[in-house]
Amino acid sequence: DAGVIQSPRHEVTEMGQEVTLRCKLISGHNSLFWYRQTMMRGLELLIYFNNNVPIDDSGMPEDRFSAKMPNASFSTLKIQPSEPRDSAVYFCASSFTSGVYNEQFFGPGTRLTVL
Amino acid sequence: KNEVEQSPQNLTAQEGEFITINCSYSVGISALHWLQQHPGGGIVSLFMLSSGKKKHGRLIATINIQEKHSSLHITASHPRDSAVYICAVLGGMNYGGSQGNLIFGKGTKLSVKP
Repeated sequence: DAGVIQSPRHEVTEMGQEVTLRCKLISGHNSLFWYRQTMMRGLELLIYFNNNVPIDDSGMPEDRFSAKMPNASFSTLKIQPSEPRDSAVYFCASSFTSGVYNEQFFGPGTRLTVL
Repeated sequence: KNEVEQSPQNLTAQEGEFITINCSYSVGISALHWLQQHPGGGIVSLFMLSSGKKKHGRLIATINIQEKHSSLHITASHPRDSAVYICAVLGGMNYGGSQGNLIFGKGTKLSVKP
């Protein structure tokens, strides 16, 4: 299994541009988590889905951020418009959940720089 | 006060030393993760445990649910163990947030010198 796949690995963009981050879950997993890591705040949960349904989006900073799961194995995190304070490493993780939440497997992350 | 506290924040050890990293939490949990993040940035899950002790190679993780405390031990440490070790708890039934929510500690940066 290739593990959790994220793209792009690095993204540099200018303030005001739209940014789309992508994540492919491990085959057979049904929970998907988006995290953000910064020096100041460490790792924070942004949103997570279970069986394609958003369960908790309380960590999404503001309306500029949106996340979707168009199918069971793929998710996007979109920032529109982007701002310099969005610069961070964005991780997605997947797990198999069946009543009980199990171990999460992390993708390699996308390093986003907004100039 | 953070819901998940780790100590120490930074740790420097000589190769071969026994290392302990501590994690205390204040919320009800269903499980606890120990994660390893290497200088390249990738995050690897080392352990997920909800009681007792788990061992994998030179790594041992313990948890005391009553005391809300977990430790990660590394025996015979090696320079390749140098990384940031992160404790993360999974909110349980009594946690105010949703049950799948991982709450992270700030991490312990370990440096093992040859």
